[in-house]
Amino acid sequence: SQQGEEDPQALSIQEGENATMNCSYKTSINNLQWYRQNSGRGLVHLILIRSNEREKHSGRLRVTLDTSKKSSSLLITASRAADTASYFCATSAGNNRKLIWGLGTSLAVNP
Amino acid sequence: EAGVVQSPRYKIIEKKQPVAFWCNPISGHNTLYWYLQNLGQGPELLIRYENEEAVDDSQLPKDRFSAERLKGVDSTLKIQPAELGDSAVYLCASSLGYYRSGANVLTFGAGSRLTVL
Repeated sequence: SQQGEEDPQALSIQEGENATMNCSYKTSINNLQWYRQNSGRGLVHLILIRSNEREKHSGRLRVTLDTSKKSSSLLITASRAADTASYFCATSAGNNRKLIWGLGTSLAVNP
Repeated sequence: EAGVVQSPRYKIIEKKQPVAFWCNPISGHNTLYWYLQNLGQGPELLIRYENEEAVDDSQLPKDRFSAERLKGVDSTLKIQPAELGDSAVYLCASSLGYYRSGANVLTFGAGSRLTVL
C-alpha cells in the first residue's frame, strides 16, 4: 500500500532554478525520508526528518515537515542537470517502522 | 564498500519459466528488503527479513514467489512460473534496522529488470 502522494507528478525547470516538490501522507508518522532515483538505478537516500523536527538542510536540499497538515516539501536550490531524477518520499509509522512509499515526482532539469 | 549488489541486472524470459534474483546486502546490515517497482511507480514491499527471519511477507504472492535468506546474509528471490504481469524491476535494499540506528534508512541495489515475454 502507498500512503504518500507527491506532487507535482512531473516537474520541468531550467538549470539554476529552484525545484519544490511536495509529499502528503495520511497517518501520524515517526519520520519521513526523501530518496532520489536516477533512471535505471536504485533509490538513494537524501535526507530524513523526524516528526519532532520542522526543517532540515543538507547541501542544496531543504526539507520541511508540517505534521498538522501531514505534508512535507523538498526544495532543491540552484538545480543542476544532474538533479534530473525521480524523487520519492517514504514515511515510517507505528511500531514496526514499515516504510510507506509515495508515487514519486519526476524532475527534469534542462541545461 | 561495494554497496548492495544485485544480479542479474537484466533478465528476459518467456512466461511460465522460472527466474531467480540474488542480493548481497551491505556487511552488518541485519535487515533486508525485496521490493517490486513498476514503471512510474514507487517501490512496493514484497518481503522484509530481520537476519534470517521473514518478518513481513504479507505482500509476497506466495503461490509463485519465494524468497530465502540463508545465514542472514545473502538472499534470493524466485518466481516460478513467471507471468507477463511480473515484468518489473526487483529492488533489494538493506538497513541497520530501526532499533540499531533509530531510523530505517535503506541502501538500495541497482535493481534487476525482469521482462517476461
